[in-house]
Amino acid sequence: QKEVEQNSGPLSVPEGAIASLNCTYSDRGSQSFFWYRQYSGKSPELIMSIYSNGDKEDGRFTAQLNKASQYVSLLIRDSQPSDSATYLCAVKGVAAGNKLTFGGGTRVLVKP
Amino acid sequence: DGGITQSPKYLFRKEGQNVTLSCEQNLNHDAMYWYRQDPGQGLRLIYYSQIVNDFQKGDIAEGYSVSREKKESFPLTVTSAQKNPTAFYLCASGARGTGELFFGEGSRLTVL
Repeated sequence: QKEVEQNSGPLSVPEGAIASLNCTYSDRGSQSFFWYRQYSGKSPELIMSIYSNGDKEDGRFTAQLNKASQYVSLLIRDSQPSDSATYLCAVKGVAAGNKLTFGGGTRVLVKP
Repeated sequence: DGGITQSPKYLFRKEGQNVTLSCEQNLNHDAMYWYRQDPGQGLRLIYYSQIVNDFQKGDIAEGYSVSREKKESFPLTVTSAQKNPTAFYLCASGARGTGELFFGEGSRLTVL
């Protein structure tokens, strides 16, 4: 079992719709969770961090964390073509020596 | 401008040659990281350093070496012992203990 798992996609959504991305992790002691966006050929950039159960909203992005079920999700509301990218889930956990472990990423395509 | 500078952006290497990738940051971050990304894959940790003159192996350290003589600099050497070095190499920095990382633009290494 991979430490951090994501559906590779592509997740195709029409412009203006909600994109829903999921990520599961295996280390129950994980404390910090992050979403990075990576455009093709570019480096990742941090878009969301979440540390406690529940929802965290930032603009059109909402991160949701459920530690009991060991999943974290990212919602992108009113999706725009500029949101087309790969979204990487990253988890910081005790089992990994507090290192950041990345999932394989979900590719999102927003169609006009 | 604060940020992370990686060089070179593109590098070609003949088999059997060592190459060194440069990473410099002026964000005053204690921690620095090197990741490798293969096409369609997530990020895998090569080496990381939490403080000057100290560094630890990540998940795929074999065939790589690093140094951390200055807070601002964390160069990565890809040695001839690395059997499959063609990849996208990403340097990142962050405050010690955080998972909120800032990435450089990356170095794309191709072995001829």
